[in-house]
Amino acid sequence: RKEVEQDPGPFNVPEGATVAFNCTYSNSASQSFFWYRQDCRKEPKLLMSVYSSGNEDGRFTAQLNRASQYISLLIRDSKLSDSATYLCVVTRTGSARQLTFGSGTQLTVLP
Amino acid sequence: DAGVIQSPRHEVTEMGQEVTLRCKPISGHDYLFWYRQTMMRGLELLIYFNNNVPIDDSGMPEDRFSAKMPNASFSTLKIQPSEPRDSAVYFCASSLVRANSYEQYFGPGTRLTVT
Repeated sequence: RKEVEQDPGPFNVPEGATVAFNCTYSNSASQSFFWYRQDCRKEPKLLMSVYSSGNEDGRFTAQLNRASQYISLLIRDSKLSDSATYLCVVTRTGSARQLTFGSGTQLTVLP
Repeated sequence: DAGVIQSPRHEVTEMGQEVTLRCKPISGHDYLFWYRQTMMRGLELLIYFNNNVPIDDSGMPEDRFSAKMPNASFSTLKIQPSEPRDSAVYFCASSLVRANSYEQYFGPGTRLTVT
């Protein structure tokens, strides 16, 4: 079983739609959680951290459920510029510096 | 400010040749990571350094792969001899130890093709 699992998609949604991505992780001792964004043929970049209480950054909302080992990302009022691959990321137990990346969920926002 | 710099951006080589990838981390960062990304396996950590010292190289696939960090501003990843299955995008990333911040800053990557 992979350490971090995501639905690869692709998700094709119209502009203005709300879309949600899910992610599960296998190591219950994982400590920190993130969503990274990767544009086509570019490097990954941090989108937002995910906190236990849930957190919001503009149109983006991240949630963490430690009991279910589940992370989610909600994008409201999606824009064409949101088209990218979204990577779910957790830190490895015993090494907060090591990140384990999911394989990514591809999103295309259509005009 | 300059981000993480990698060179070359593209490399095409023949099977059996030596390949050297280069990385300059963000100035002042004390962690450096090498990743490989393929469609089949996604983004995999190969090795990482802290203050120029290799900490974990368990992700290095074989003895054909080696990495060095002779100083705080330079690291190399070498493949010798290269094989077609090494074809991938290789990313270097750096980060700074800071409370509650684990953000890694990635370079643009080196797209390696081994024929």
